[in-house]
Amino acid sequence: AAGVIQSPRHLIKEKRETATLKCYPIPRHDTVYWYQQGPGQDPQFLISFYEKMQSDKGSIPDRFSAQQFSDYHSELNMSSLELGDSALYFCASSLGQGSYNEQFFGPGTRLTVL
Amino acid sequence: AQKVTQAQTEISVVEKEDVTLDCVYETRDTTYYLFWYKQPPSGELVFLIRRNSFDEQNEISGRYSWNFQKSTSSFNFTITASQVVDSAVYFCALSEAQNYGQNFVFGPGTRLSVLP
Repeated sequence: AAGVIQSPRHLIKEKRETATLKCYPIPRHDTVYWYQQGPGQDPQFLISFYEKMQSDKGSIPDRFSAQQFSDYHSELNMSSLELGDSALYFCASSLGQGSYNEQFFGPGTRLTVL
Repeated sequence: AQKVTQAQTEISVVEKEDVTLDCVYETRDTTYYLFWYKQPPSGELVFLIRRNSFDEQNEISGRYSWNFQKSTSSFNFTITASQVVDSAVYFCALSEAQNYGQNFVFGPGTRLSVLP
């Protein structure tokens, strides 16, 4: 079965650079979520989209922005990167909103900021 | 506010031992969902189980079993006859029904090391 695809899987950037992470949800899934997991930490919710509209916002820095496109894929744009942005970024997708809908997680993008 | 506590930061067991990972949650919602995920060294999050707040029936899946007790707000996870491949970080997570954005609140995780 198709899973959530994230690209790239690994990304190395310098401080103050920008980065774009991409997420392709499971086909027919209309909801996408972004999480950030720092080293030794639990995943922290950043932002979610339902039907191309932002549905919820967590601890996402102002330097980050995200959107969901007409084909339901999503991109997380990160600017003025800081060392503390080094983390594993997960995307998850679900069919519909509501906590009864299971989230399927992608493999993650490991971002390293030097 | 919702909160998940996993008091055990790290656990080490010897292969074939049974091990229980504790999860205690806080929520004011009457409808919520609890999850367990496994994160092996490779980093991906592997879904293990989802349980809704109205279903307190314990569940067994192979060597895995879960004990959900609303009275103590706990959702503990037991691995029977542990194996080296069970070594991973295990996260318990909570999602409230009233949280329409459906984001998860994860516990801090428990790192399980199974030694040969």
